[in-house]
Amino acid sequence: DIVMTQSPDSLAVPLGERATINCKSSQSLLYDSNNKNYLAWYQQKPGQPPKLLIYWASTRESGVPDRFSGTGSGTDFTLTISSLQAEDVAIYYCQQYFRTLAITFGQGTRLEIE
Amino acid sequence: QLQLQESGPGLVKPSQTLSLNCTVSGASITSSSYYWGWIRQSPTQGLEWIGNFFFRGNTNYNPSLKSRVTISVDTSKNQFSLELTSVSAADTAVYYCVRRPHNIYCTGPSCYFDYWGQGTLVTVSS
Repeated sequence: DIVMTQSPDSLAVPLGERATINCKSSQSLLYDSNNKNYLAWYQQKPGQPPKLLIYWASTRESGVPDRFSGTGSGTDFTLTISSLQAEDVAIYYCQQYFRTLAITFGQGTRLEIE
Repeated sequence: QLQLQESGPGLVKPSQTLSLNCTVSGASITSSSYYWGWIRQSPTQGLEWIGNFFFRGNTNYNPSLKSRVTISVDTSKNQFSLELTSVSAADTAVYYCVRRPHNIYCTGPSCYFDYWGQGTLVTVSS
Protein backbone atom coordinates (compact mmCIF):
# COMPACT_ATOMS: atom_id res chain seq x y z
CA ASP A 1 0.00 0.00 0.00
CA ILE A 2 1.00 3.60 -0.54
CA VAL A 3 1.74 5.22 2.81
CA MET A 4 0.70 8.84 3.30
CA THR A 5 2.55 10.82 5.96
CA GLN A 6 1.39 14.27 7.01
CA SER A 7 3.38 16.90 8.86
CA PRO A 8 3.05 18.37 11.32
CA ASP A 9 0.58 16.35 13.39
CA SER A 10 -0.76 19.61 14.77
CA LEU A 11 -0.12 23.29 14.39
CA ALA A 12 -1.39 26.57 15.80
CA VAL A 13 -1.46 29.67 13.62
CA PRO A 14 -2.60 33.23 14.42
CA LEU A 15 -5.77 34.49 12.77
CA GLY A 16 -5.02 36.03 9.40
CA GLU A 17 -1.69 34.24 9.03
CA ARG A 18 -0.69 31.50 6.59
CA ALA A 19 -1.09 27.84 7.52
CA THR A 20 0.84 25.14 5.68
CA ILE A 21 0.26 21.40 5.91
CA ASN A 22 2.48 18.85 4.18
CA CYS A 23 1.73 15.39 2.84
CA LYS A 24 4.32 12.93 1.58
CA SER A 25 3.52 9.70 -0.25
CA SER A 26 5.70 6.59 -0.27
CA GLN A 27 5.55 6.48 -4.07
CA SER A 28 4.80 8.92 -6.85
CA LEU A 29 1.16 9.89 -7.38
CA LEU A 30 1.84 11.40 -10.80
CA TYR A 31 0.37 9.38 -13.65
CA ASP A 32 2.47 10.07 -16.72
CA SER A 33 -0.29 9.30 -19.23
CA ASN A 34 -2.46 12.25 -18.14
CA ASN A 35 0.02 14.30 -16.07
CA LYS A 36 -2.32 14.28 -13.08
CA ASN A 37 -1.43 13.81 -9.44
CA TYR A 38 -3.93 11.49 -7.71
CA LEU A 39 -4.07 13.42 -4.43
CA ALA A 40 -7.00 15.00 -2.56
CA TRP A 41 -7.35 17.11 0.59
CA TYR A 42 -10.24 17.06 3.07
CA GLN A 43 -11.31 19.18 6.03
CA GLN A 44 -13.08 17.60 9.00
CA LYS A 45 -14.72 19.63 11.75
CA PRO A 46 -15.87 18.05 15.03
CA GLY A 47 -18.95 15.87 14.64
CA GLN A 48 -18.94 16.23 10.85
CA PRO A 49 -17.80 14.03 7.98
CA PRO A 50 -14.74 14.99 5.98
CA LYS A 51 -15.39 17.62 3.33
CA LEU A 52 -13.57 17.61 -0.01
CA LEU A 53 -11.41 20.71 -0.48
CA ILE A 54 -8.93 19.91 -3.24
CA TYR A 55 -8.55 17.12 -5.82
CA TRP A 56 -5.97 16.39 -8.51
CA ALA A 57 -3.58 17.99 -5.99
CA SER A 58 -4.55 21.55 -6.94
CA THR A 59 -8.17 21.73 -8.19
CA ARG A 60 -10.41 23.47 -5.70
CA GLU A 61 -13.83 21.90 -5.16
CA SER A 62 -16.80 24.12 -6.00
CA GLY A 63 -17.67 26.45 -3.14
CA VAL A 64 -14.33 26.14 -1.35
CA PRO A 65 -12.88 29.59 -0.51
CA ASP A 66 -9.90 30.62 -2.60
CA ARG A 67 -7.74 31.02 0.51
CA PHE A 68 -7.33 27.24 0.27
CA SER A 69 -4.79 26.05 -2.29
CA GLY A 70 -3.00 22.82 -3.07
CA THR A 71 0.43 22.43 -4.61
CA GLY A 72 3.00 19.75 -5.23
CA SER A 73 3.70 16.83 -7.53
CA GLY A 74 5.06 13.31 -7.40
CA THR A 75 5.52 12.48 -3.73
CA ASP A 76 5.38 15.86 -1.98
CA PHE A 77 2.25 17.94 -1.58
CA THR A 78 1.14 21.00 0.40
CA LEU A 79 -2.18 22.45 1.50
CA THR A 80 -1.98 26.17 2.19
CA ILE A 81 -4.53 28.40 3.86
CA SER A 82 -3.43 31.90 2.92
CA SER A 83 -5.18 33.79 5.72
CA LEU A 84 -6.48 31.66 8.56
CA GLN A 85 -10.07 32.23 9.62
CA ALA A 86 -11.73 31.00 12.82
CA GLU A 87 -13.93 28.62 10.83
CA ASP A 88 -10.84 26.86 9.44
CA VAL A 89 -10.14 25.14 12.76
CA ALA A 90 -10.36 21.48 11.85
CA ILE A 91 -8.41 18.33 11.11
CA TYR A 92 -7.06 18.12 7.57
CA TYR A 93 -6.41 14.87 5.70
CA CYS A 94 -4.70 14.02 2.45
CA GLN A 95 -5.79 10.99 0.41
CA GLN A 96 -4.13 9.19 -2.48
CA TYR A 97 -6.17 7.46 -5.17
CA PHE A 98 -3.42 6.42 -7.56
CA ARG A 99 -5.19 3.90 -9.77
CA THR A 100 -5.15 1.30 -7.06
CA LEU A 101 -7.64 -0.57 -4.94
CA ALA A 102 -5.72 0.42 -1.84
CA ILE A 103 -6.93 3.99 -1.35
CA THR A 104 -5.16 5.43 1.68
CA PHE A 105 -5.36 8.55 3.83
CA GLY A 106 -2.83 10.47 5.85
CA GLN A 107 -3.06 10.41 9.64
CA GLY A 108 -4.44 13.95 9.79
CA THR A 109 -3.17 17.36 10.89
CA ARG A 110 -5.00 19.26 13.60
CA LEU A 111 -5.13 23.00 12.93
CA GLU A 112 -5.86 25.44 15.74
CA ILE A 113 -5.81 29.18 16.34
CA GLU A 114 -2.77 30.48 18.20
CA GLN B 1 -29.69 18.55 -3.01
CA LEU B 2 -27.78 15.31 -2.59
CA GLN B 3 -28.12 13.55 0.74
CA LEU B 4 -26.68 10.26 1.92
CA GLN B 5 -28.12 8.82 5.13
CA GLU B 6 -26.66 5.86 6.97
CA SER B 7 -28.85 3.64 9.14
CA GLY B 8 -28.44 0.47 11.14
CA PRO B 9 -27.68 -0.93 14.60
CA GLY B 10 -25.26 1.02 16.71
CA LEU B 11 -24.15 -2.04 18.67
CA VAL B 12 -23.02 -5.39 17.28
CA LYS B 13 -21.71 -8.36 19.22
CA PRO B 14 -18.29 -9.84 18.43
CA SER B 15 -18.28 -12.54 15.73
CA GLN B 16 -21.64 -11.34 14.39
CA THR B 17 -22.40 -9.46 11.17
CA LEU B 18 -22.52 -5.68 10.90
CA SER B 19 -25.25 -4.47 8.53
CA LEU B 20 -25.78 -0.89 7.43
CA ASN B 21 -27.90 0.83 4.82
CA CYS B 22 -27.30 4.05 2.93
CA THR B 23 -30.33 5.83 1.51
CA VAL B 24 -29.58 8.31 -1.24
CA SER B 25 -31.80 11.26 -2.12
CA GLY B 26 -31.20 13.86 -4.78
CA ALA B 27 -29.38 11.51 -7.16
CA SER B 28 -29.75 8.04 -8.56
CA ILE B 29 -27.37 5.25 -7.59
CA THR B 30 -27.83 3.92 -11.14
CA SER B 31 -26.12 7.04 -12.54
CA SER B 32 -23.26 6.42 -14.97
CA SER B 33 -21.35 9.35 -13.48
CA TYR B 34 -20.69 8.04 -9.98
CA TYR B 35 -19.54 5.20 -7.82
CA TRP B 36 -21.04 4.75 -4.34
CA GLY B 37 -19.43 3.14 -1.35
CA TRP B 38 -18.32 3.03 2.27
CA ILE B 39 -15.49 4.46 4.36
CA ARG B 40 -14.98 4.05 8.09
CA GLN B 41 -13.10 6.08 10.67
CA SER B 42 -11.73 5.04 14.02
CA PRO B 43 -9.24 6.62 16.43
CA THR B 44 -6.87 3.67 15.97
CA GLN B 45 -7.11 3.04 12.21
CA GLY B 46 -7.95 6.54 10.99
CA LEU B 47 -9.87 6.79 7.72
CA GLU B 48 -10.18 3.44 5.93
CA TRP B 49 -11.79 2.83 2.55
CA ILE B 50 -14.03 -0.26 2.64
CA GLY B 51 -15.33 -0.58 -0.91
CA ASN B 52 -17.52 0.84 -3.65
CA PHE B 53 -19.67 -0.12 -6.61
CA PHE B 54 -20.53 1.19 -10.04
CA PHE B 55 -24.05 0.28 -11.02
CA ARG B 56 -23.12 -0.48 -14.60
CA GLY B 57 -19.92 -2.25 -13.68
CA ASN B 58 -18.13 -3.94 -10.89
CA THR B 59 -17.74 -3.75 -7.13
CA ASN B 60 -14.35 -3.11 -5.55
CA TYR B 61 -13.26 -3.92 -2.02
CA ASN B 62 -10.29 -3.02 0.13
CA PRO B 63 -8.06 -6.09 -0.12
CA SER B 64 -7.59 -6.05 3.66
CA LEU B 65 -11.35 -6.46 4.22
CA LYS B 66 -12.41 -8.25 1.05
CA SER B 67 -12.97 -11.65 2.67
CA ARG B 68 -15.52 -10.18 5.10
CA VAL B 69 -17.27 -7.44 3.10
CA THR B 70 -20.27 -7.40 0.80
CA ILE B 71 -21.87 -4.30 -0.75
CA SER B 72 -25.29 -4.80 -2.26
CA VAL B 73 -27.77 -2.56 -4.05
CA ASP B 74 -31.55 -2.00 -3.93
CA THR B 75 -32.45 0.24 -6.84
CA SER B 76 -36.15 0.28 -5.91
CA LYS B 77 -35.24 2.15 -2.73
CA ASN B 78 -32.25 4.01 -4.20
CA GLN B 79 -30.30 2.42 -1.40
CA PHE B 80 -27.14 0.39 -0.95
CA SER B 81 -25.95 -1.74 1.92
CA LEU B 82 -22.84 -2.91 3.72
CA GLU B 83 -22.34 -6.27 5.39
CA LEU B 84 -19.19 -6.99 7.39
CA THR B 85 -18.95 -10.46 8.85
CA SER B 86 -17.09 -11.85 11.86
CA VAL B 87 -16.67 -8.46 13.51
CA SER B 88 -14.34 -7.72 16.39
CA ALA B 89 -13.58 -4.68 18.52
CA ALA B 90 -11.24 -3.52 15.75
CA ASP B 91 -14.30 -2.89 13.57
CA THR B 92 -15.67 -0.29 15.99
CA ALA B 93 -15.81 2.91 13.97
CA VAL B 94 -17.93 5.62 12.43
CA TYR B 95 -19.16 4.30 9.09
CA TYR B 96 -19.76 6.75 6.26
CA CYS B 97 -21.46 6.19 2.94
CA VAL B 98 -19.81 8.16 0.15
CA ARG B 99 -19.96 9.09 -3.50
CA ARG B 100 -17.05 9.36 -5.94
CA PRO B 101 -16.98 10.55 -9.56
CA HIS B 102 -16.63 8.30 -12.58
CA ASN B 103 -15.08 10.15 -15.52
CA ILE B 104 -12.25 10.02 -18.02
CA TYR B 105 -9.67 10.51 -15.26
CA CYS B 106 -11.39 8.46 -12.55
CA THR B 107 -12.11 5.32 -14.52
CA GLY B 108 -10.25 2.89 -12.31
CA PRO B 109 -11.08 1.53 -8.89
CA SER B 110 -10.04 4.72 -7.10
CA CYS B 111 -10.96 8.36 -6.98
CA TYR B 112 -11.58 11.17 -4.51
CA PHE B 113 -14.88 11.33 -2.59
CA ASP B 114 -17.06 14.37 -3.20
CA TYR B 115 -20.06 13.61 -0.96
CA TRP B 116 -20.19 11.96 2.46
CA GLY B 117 -23.07 10.97 4.69
CA GLN B 118 -23.10 12.21 8.28
CA GLY B 119 -21.84 8.86 9.49
CA THR B 120 -23.09 6.34 12.01
CA LEU B 121 -21.16 4.97 14.97
CA VAL B 122 -21.04 1.20 15.23
CA THR B 123 -19.62 -0.30 18.41
CA VAL B 124 -18.62 -3.94 18.58
CA SER B 125 -19.05 -5.18 22.12
CA SER B 126 -20.66 -8.00 24.04
